[in-house]
Amino acid sequence: DGGITQSPKYLFRKEGQNVTLSCEQNLNHDAMYWYRQDPGQGLRLIYYSQIVNDFQKGDIAEGYSVSREKKESFPLTVTSAQKNPTAFYLCASRASGGNEQFFGPGTRLTVL
Amino acid sequence: QKEVEQNSGPLSVPEGAIASLNCTYSDRGSQSFFWYRQYSGKSPELIMSIYSNGDKEDGRFTAQLNKASQYVSLLIRDSQPSDSATYLCAVNMSQNSGGYQKVTFGTGTKLQVIP
Repeated sequence: DGGITQSPKYLFRKEGQNVTLSCEQNLNHDAMYWYRQDPGQGLRLIYYSQIVNDFQKGDIAEGYSVSREKKESFPLTVTSAQKNPTAFYLCASRASGGNEQFFGPGTRLTVL
Repeated sequence: QKEVEQNSGPLSVPEGAIASLNCTYSDRGSQSFFWYRQYSGKSPELIMSIYSNGDKEDGRFTAQLNKASQYVSLLIRDSQPSDSATYLCAVNMSQNSGGYQKVTFGTGTKLQVIP
């Protein structure tokens, strides 16, 4: 099955901890994205990557970091510098030359 | 002014009726427009994309685009209770010099189909 997987589905973090959210796709898509969704707000772009070994900050990158060492993988680290990390995190990918973004199932992060 | 605006709803329609969801956008140079459906607690699912003025139909769904008015809408015919969800409008803004296609999402309209 082709698709985008995210893990874990639920994640609990203590204040001061860094956590890493996984995003993997087997669609052979070049571009990958991380969004954050909060209640009553639209999706906000954290980071995006158009090719391997290259990524760019989105609108709310502070407190987050990413890597893109493989085409299939785009992990997101939520660092202790992110002051309000509780949110629903969504990974998406897009084929080169395409316009549509397709989303993974999401990870719900809660800070205890 | 928000870049992509939607009425948050909820929009309540009886089963079998037509649901009309609306979206306006601020960037006149926008080229691509998308509608996503998001069930509570789930991720967004792409249901329609539209690129040129006019109507695009896919089953019970019709997307309408009017670039002059900077307006895009989604019609759902014969609405079913299973259509109850939040519908997100997304707009691919003008490309920047780096070729990055920024997609901006609205906050969504919650649709309730009453049996």
